Amino acid sequence: GENVEQHPSTLSVQEGDSAVIKCTYSDSASNYFPWYKQELGKGPQLIIDIRSNVGEKKDQRIAVTLNKTAKHFSLHITETQPEDSAVYFCAASLNGQFYFGTGTSLTVIP
Amino acid sequence: EAEVAQSPRYKITEKSQAVAFWCDPISGHATLYWYRQILGQGPELLVQFQDESVVDDSQLPKDRFSAERLKGVDSTLKIQPAELGDSAMYLCASSLLWGGNTEAFFGQGTRLTVV
Repeated sequence: GENVEQHPSTLSVQEGDSAVIKCTYSDSASNYFPWYKQELGKGPQLIIDIRSNVGEKKDQRIAVTLNKTAKHFSLHITETQPEDSAVYFCAASLNGQFYFGTGTSLTVIP
Repeated sequence: EAEVAQSPRYKITEKSQAVAFWCDPISGHATLYWYRQILGQGPELLVQFQDESVVDDSQLPKDRFSAERLKGVDSTLKIQPAELGDSAMYLCASSLLWGGNTEAFFGQGTRLTVV
């Protein structure tokens, strides 16, 4: 199967600063990489994704980059706001299955 | 906006009792997943359906867990008998296609507490 590692496990930033979360994967056949935001007591919500034929994707304040050679991908959140506080999970899709990282708890300090 | 529906949201049960969770995926989604999420960890796949067929149940503890999707639409996950270690969030997700490279959407989950 696939092994996804995610760092850091916790991240605190001041409101307005940027936050970066990094993930690595082990199987070069993985071809789809979604990011999920999970608020307390709720299910994960898809916030952005990237496919293996793309190096970067941006949606307003969030962006994702993918380096297939190094097998790592990152989530970038700019101009952070208190409502960005949540747990973020990266995932890699291999053969129709999703393998998740262990999560990053992001706290945005007003 | 279409959503994955799950019920109940919360369930408290005594160990050795039976418990069941229900999931209704987004209309038209062929692939349905059941995940278990222990507090502080990422979701882990229990079982994956393509229409009514099981694609992968290698991580499903089959001595106590069962899952079905009889008509290829909604699905039920059952645990019998429940054990203390089964306390977790049980998440259902669905995607339009099978084979990866397509978005998967999660429901709100069922928080199970076994006492």
